[in-house]
Amino acid sequence: DGGITQSPKYLFRKEGQNVTLSCEQNLNHDAMYWYRQDPGQGLRLIYYSQIVNDFQKGDIAEGYSVSREKKESFPLTVTSAQKNPTAFYLCASSLARGSNEQFFGPGTRLTVL
Amino acid sequence: GQSLEQPSEVTAVEGAIVQINCTYQTSGFYGLSWYQQHDGGAPTFLSYNALDGLEETGRFSSFLSRSDSYGYLLLQELQMKDSASYFCARGGDDKIIFGKGTRLHILP
Repeated sequence: DGGITQSPKYLFRKEGQNVTLSCEQNLNHDAMYWYRQDPGQGLRLIYYSQIVNDFQKGDIAEGYSVSREKKESFPLTVTSAQKNPTAFYLCASSLARGSNEQFFGPGTRLTVL
Repeated sequence: GQSLEQPSEVTAVEGAIVQINCTYQTSGFYGLSWYQQHDGGAPTFLSYNALDGLEETGRFSSFLSRSDSYGYLLLQELQMKDSASYFCARGGDDKIIFGKGTRLHILP
């Protein structure tokens, strides 16, 4: 089955620790995205990548980092510099840059204690 | 700007019809998409309008008027499973921008 996987579903970390969220897709999509969603809020773009070894900052990139070493994978690191990291994180992919249909993973709910 | 505005909540009755509106700023506008998200779940794509007019997909329809910078999602024959948040999103050159979402409450 083609799709996007994110693991784990729930993640707990202590304040001050970096944590990496995984995102893998087997849809052969070029573009991948990371969003953050807070309760009752929309989706805010953290980082996106149009092609391997290239990525751009979104609207709220501070305190986050990404890599895109493989087409299938786009991990997100939440660093200790992110002041309010507790949120629901969603990874998405699309066939090409600017495509209006994005496919989302199930999300990771990160709680920093 | 490139922001979108949509109501935060809408309530309707099971079996009825409901319309969720979305207005947007015109700068760099390509088209309007709609996504559905159930609580705790992932957003799923519903529709996309690049041109003016109505697009119908089963019980859901989406409309766009470029001259009015306005679109809407129409849900017919509402079912309890339609209780969810609905996001409009505008297409761009390399990314899309989402509205804050409309929470649809359905009463039995």
